Amino acid sequence: SQTIHQWPATLVQPVGSPLSLECTVEGTSNPNLYWYRQAAGRGLQLLFYSVGIGQISSEVPQNLSASRPQDRQFILSSKKLLLSDSGFYLCAFFVGHNEQFFGPGTRLTVL
Amino acid sequence: AQSVTQLDSQVPVFEEAPVELRCNYSSSVSVYLFWYVQYPNQGLQLLLKYLSGSTLVKGINGFEAEFNKSQTSFHLRKPSVHISDTAEYFCAVSALGKGAQKLVFGQGTRLTINP
Repeated sequence: SQTIHQWPATLVQPVGSPLSLECTVEGTSNPNLYWYRQAAGRGLQLLFYSVGIGQISSEVPQNLSASRPQDRQFILSSKKLLLSDSGFYLCAFFVGHNEQFFGPGTRLTVL
Repeated sequence: AQSVTQLDSQVPVFEEAPVELRCNYSSSVSVYLFWYVQYPNQGLQLLLKYLSGSTLVKGINGFEAEFNKSQTSFHLRKPSVHISDTAEYFCAVSALGKGAQKLVFGQGTRLTINP
């Protein structure tokens, strides 16, 4: 069956520190992968998506970057975190008919 | 481009009462429609989806939604809610066709069930 893992589950980081969030998918090959951010009291904002290894599309300009070093691995990074980067980060993959399956999320707090 | 408006940011209801969460969308092309539920500190879980065919769609946990093309709406309903339905609900749309299959979400509706 298809599953999706995200780690860490929670993270508290100081402003200016680097960030690396990891997402891995099982049970599917060559999936479309997505990173979303959910800020407090707001909906989900698509940050990046990838249709294949090394292929990254950015939806909004920001302090973050994404990479896809392997078929089922998607990484969200930052060189220097800002307070505004705090939020709940969700990884997802495409399962058919435009439906996406979501991971459990990472809660990031930047202090 | 597509956009989604969820008309209520918060909906409080009593247990066993009916509930309707409203969703309107805007799109210049045909779309697929989705409702997702998010329990506290968890990811999103698909409740139901409209792809084609019957405009009344039944989902998990007793929820259903009706697609109304003329009103560009996809309202979510449940005839009798339970405490366990307390969560945030997101309406989403995705354009038909090839491409990266991106979802556009509404701002969410927080459903609170009171005993």
